[in-house]
Amino acid sequence: GENVEQHPSTLSVQEGDSAVIKCTYSDSASNYFPWYKQELGKRPQLIIDIRSNVGEKKDQRIAVTLNKTAKHFSLHITETQPEDSAVYFCAAPRGRGSTLGRLYFGRGTQLTVWP
Amino acid sequence: NAGVTQTPKFQVLKTGQSMTLQCAQDMNHEYMSWYRQDPGMGLRLIHYSVGAGITDQGEVPNGYNVSRSTTEDFPLRLLSAAPSQTSVYFCASSYSLQGNYGYTFGSGTRLTVV
Repeated sequence: GENVEQHPSTLSVQEGDSAVIKCTYSDSASNYFPWYKQELGKRPQLIIDIRSNVGEKKDQRIAVTLNKTAKHFSLHITETQPEDSAVYFCAAPRGRGSTLGRLYFGRGTQLTVWP
Repeated sequence: NAGVTQTPKFQVLKTGQSMTLQCAQDMNHEYMSWYRQDPGMGLRLIHYSVGAGITDQGEVPNGYNVSRSTTEDFPLRLLSAAPSQTSVYFCASSYSLQGNYGYTFGSGTRLTVV
């Protein structure tokens, strides 16, 4: 199976609504979970991350929640705006020791916010 | 700081040609990785490095070589280009994944193999 599974692949919401993107990971030793936003033609940029010693983290309109028992984490965007339209990627590391540098990404979610 | 610098931004190769994609960072980051991005496939890890002199394979390493002779540079070599290697390539670096810091990405190289 995939290292990181991400759902849904596409998401359309009305401006002002909330959007939720979910990811599951396979390595129970993973302890760091970043989310990236990629606008069309641009590079991915880190928007929020969470470490395994916390269950939730918020930064203005975005939040990430983590359930280590179930091995899944989610991105929540509230009060969505058209400029939130982009592809969002989740990621999780795998490996221990010298292989800890492996950061695996989900396949991405195309979020479209309609005005 | 310039961050992560990738060159070239665009490249067209003929099947069988070889080339090197350059990546340099000036942030003294330990971790560096190469990803390829294809539609619907997300970012797939090609090779990564946890420090100078140390490299390892990712998910899709076939057809690519890397080396890390300095902390700053992490070039990706295509040995004999194939149309399946047409993709957008991103280099990324991080201060330390053990310290749980996110990757900073370069601006990407769009490669077309004909």
